[in-house]
Amino acid sequence: SQTIHQWPATLVQPVGSPLSLECTVEGTSNPNLYWYRQAAGRGLQLLFYSVGIGQISSEVPQNLSASRPQDRQFILSSKKLLLSDSGFYLCAWSENGLAGAVTGELFFGEGSRLTVL
Amino acid sequence: AQSVTQLGSHVSVSEGALVLLRCNYSSSVPPYLFWYVQYPNQGLQLLLKYTSAATLVKGINGFEAEFKKSETSFHLTKPSAHMSDAAEYFCAGDFGNEKLTFGTGTRLTIIP
Repeated sequence: SQTIHQWPATLVQPVGSPLSLECTVEGTSNPNLYWYRQAAGRGLQLLFYSVGIGQISSEVPQNLSASRPQDRQFILSSKKLLLSDSGFYLCAWSENGLAGAVTGELFFGEGSRLTVL
Repeated sequence: AQSVTQLGSHVSVSEGALVLLRCNYSSSVPPYLFWYVQYPNQGLQLLLKYTSAATLVKGINGFEAEFKKSETSFHLTKPSAHMSDAAEYFCAGDFGNEKLTFGTGTRLTIIP
């Protein structure tokens, strides 16, 4: 069966420090991968998604970046965190469908709560 | 523009009462539609999905939703609320662009 692992679960970082959140998926190949951010009272914001190794699409301009060095690994990074980067970060995967369609559901990790002080 | 709108950021119902969470979409072509639930400090999990096979969709935990093209709606219902239903609920649409578009969420509170 497929599983998704996301870490760290909780992170407290000072403003200006770097960030690395990692997500890996097991039990499937060539998945679509997604990073979402959930700020308090603001729903889910799609940050990045990837349909293959080295293919990253950015949804919003920000000081975050994403990389997909391996088929089932997705990393969210920042060189210098801002206060506004605080939030709950969710990694998710889906089956890679035809013609860009999401064929089924998204499977989410347990989330990483980032607090920037 | 293609979008999903959830009416009511907070909904409170008494235990045993009907749960109704509203979702509308905006698109010239009906999308695939999903309802997800999120418990505190956890990721989201799928409740149910509409993929054009049937307009009335049954999901987990006694929830169901009905797709109504004429109303561009996909409202989520449960006949009798349980304390364990307290969570945040997200409606989402797949408009064929490699990603889901989520609504802003509805926080459901159950009153004992």
